[in-house]
Amino acid sequence: GEDVEQSLFLSVREGDSSVINCTYTDSSSTYLYWYKQEPGAGLQLLTYIFSNMDMKQDQRLTVLLNKKDKHLSLRIADTQTGDSAIYFCAELGTGANNLFFGTGTRLTVIP
Amino acid sequence: KAGVTQTPRYLIKTRGQQVTLSCSPISGHRSVSWYQQTPGQGLQFLFEYFSETQRNKGNFPGRFSGRQFSNSRSEMNVSTLELGDSALYLCASSLAIRSGAFFGQGTRLTVV
Repeated sequence: GEDVEQSLFLSVREGDSSVINCTYTDSSSTYLYWYKQEPGAGLQLLTYIFSNMDMKQDQRLTVLLNKKDKHLSLRIADTQTGDSAIYFCAELGTGANNLFFGTGTRLTVIP
Repeated sequence: KAGVTQTPRYLIKTRGQQVTLSCSPISGHRSVSWYQQTPGQGLQFLFEYFSETQRNKGNFPGRFSGRQFSNSRSEMNVSTLELGDSALYLCASSLAIRSGAFFGQGTRLTVV
């Protein structure tokens, strides 16, 4: 079955770049996503990438996909205190109608 | 465009009771999914509805059920509540799942 793993914690200084990593096992994954969850809130879709792409940039966010290694990363440039949250990667398998989520990475931005 | 709306935001129920949670999707979205989020198990898929039909179901007991109405609004029901059902229940809607699912704020259910 699907398995999506992330490291649990990441701390960075304000203004630095953050890199959040994710590995997945389902080789049939078609789309991969990054979501952000702030305390007491639902999940906010940040960005997504199709499996035939290796990079996608959206303002401060850069997604890198290494399909061979089944590795996905999210880089946040110029990290701000408002970026402190839990970040989830998720994958959509072929023919699936639901997402499989990773464990989430808690990003703490130190002023 | 209004986002996904879930009601109520908070619920406290007693073991053995049943509960119904409601979700109104983004206008035009016909797919509605439900997820359970707990500290121990993370985000787990419950079920997905499209045009009033359940297309996919996660690995949850039959006490968890759902339905979708003709206006795409969805409800989920949990019967015979157990302490372990305490969780944040999230609803998500999508136009096409490949473009991502959009989540509501969730309903925080506490079973005592």
